[in-house]
Amino acid sequence: GENVEQHPSTLSVQEGDSAVIKCTYSDSASNYFPWYKQELGKGPQLIIDIRSNVGEKKDQRIAVTLNKTAKHFSLHITETQPEDSAVYFCAATTNDYKLSFGAGTTVTVRA
Amino acid sequence: EAQVTQNPRYLITVTGKKLTVTCSQNMNHEYMSWYRQDPGLGLRQIYYSMNVEVTDKGDVPEGYKVSRKEKRNFPLILESPSPNQTSLYFCASSPTAAEQFFGPGTRLTVL
Repeated sequence: GENVEQHPSTLSVQEGDSAVIKCTYSDSASNYFPWYKQELGKGPQLIIDIRSNVGEKKDQRIAVTLNKTAKHFSLHITETQPEDSAVYFCAATTNDYKLSFGAGTTVTVRA
Repeated sequence: EAQVTQNPRYLITVTGKKLTVTCSQNMNHEYMSWYRQDPGLGLRQIYYSMNVEVTDKGDVPEGYKVSRKEKRNFPLILESPSPNQTSLYFCASSPTAAEQFFGPGTRLTVL
């Protein structure tokens, strides 16, 4: 099955700086790559996603890039704010129904 | 309010005592899924359902059962819980499986 590796496991950034989280996947047939944000005590929430026919997608301060050849995708958060502190999960799937998640990255934004 | 609800939110039980965690969604979503979240392992899919009476195994189905008799409900059943099923459980629903809406989580401890 699909194996998704996520790095780093923890990330501390100064407010206003950028944060980058990287994921690699094993199944070259994967075609959908969502990113979820989990705040303390809550369930994960989708923040951005990308399909394999697109190389980059942006939504305000967040962006995702996909390199199908290298089988990796990344989340970029610019101008980080305290409310960006959370656990972020990447995921990959070949059919939308069976999501394989990375282990998560705990992001801390220092004021 | 559109939401996914889970009950109970917290449960402490003993090995071998059957339990059910309920999940209900009010968004008329066809797709529902169960995940468990463990430190360092991220979210792992247990079972999913693409519609009423249609269920399939995720990556870690051993020791769990599900049923989908109505569109809104997707209970998770542990017929003989064991300590290795101590975890944080999330139910999710989606109109297409691509964007999944997660419930608030159920923290289960099996002694």
